[in-house]
Amino acid sequence: QKEVEQDPGPLSVPEGAIVSLNCTYSNSAFQYFMWYRQYSRKGPELLMYTYSSGNKEDGRFTAQVDKSSKYISLFIRDSQPSDSATYLCAMIGGATNKLIFGTGTLLAVQP
Amino acid sequence: NAGVTQTPKFQVLKTGQSMTLQCAQDMNHNSMYWYRQDPGMGLRLIYYSASEGTTDKGEVPNGYNVSRLNKREFSLRLESAAPSQTSVYFCASSGKGLAGTYEQYFGPGTRLTVT
Repeated sequence: QKEVEQDPGPLSVPEGAIVSLNCTYSNSAFQYFMWYRQYSRKGPELLMYTYSSGNKEDGRFTAQVDKSSKYISLFIRDSQPSDSATYLCAMIGGATNKLIFGTGTLLAVQP
Repeated sequence: NAGVTQTPKFQVLKTGQSMTLQCAQDMNHNSMYWYRQDPGMGLRLIYYSASEGTTDKGEVPNGYNVSRLNKREFSLRLESAAPSQTSVYFCASSGKGLAGTYEQYFGPGTRLTVT
């Protein structure tokens, strides 16, 4: 079993929809949780990070961490075609200093 | 600030040839990383360097070597390329951010094909 599981999609939604992207993990030592966005043929770019449990909001994006369930989410409100990309979750904590990535979810927002 | 830069952007090699991928960062980060990204496999860590003068193996180090030339530069070498090394290679760096977290910042990638 992988340490981090992420549904690869693809996920196709109409413009303006609320998008929910999720990851589950098995290592309870993870403390920092990140979301990266990767456009086609580009490097991943950091979108959001959160520490421990709770919510963090940045414009149309909200990151949520539920450590009791080992579950993290990224919500995108009023989705735009420009949000079409692969979204990767990543996490780190405990004895390891290495970031562990999910495999990524491909999102397509249809105009 | 250029962030993380990588050269070359594209490369085609024949089996058995060698090459070095170059990476540089201008963010004064201590740590640098090399990943490969393959369809359905996500990002897999090849090698990393927690600080200047140190390097450690990641998840998939076989067939690769690295050099941390100085704080800015971290290179990845393929001594004898194999078709299984066809992939997209990303370099990343991280340092302690304003919030005390260790986010990683990625370069644009090198697309390598080995025939």
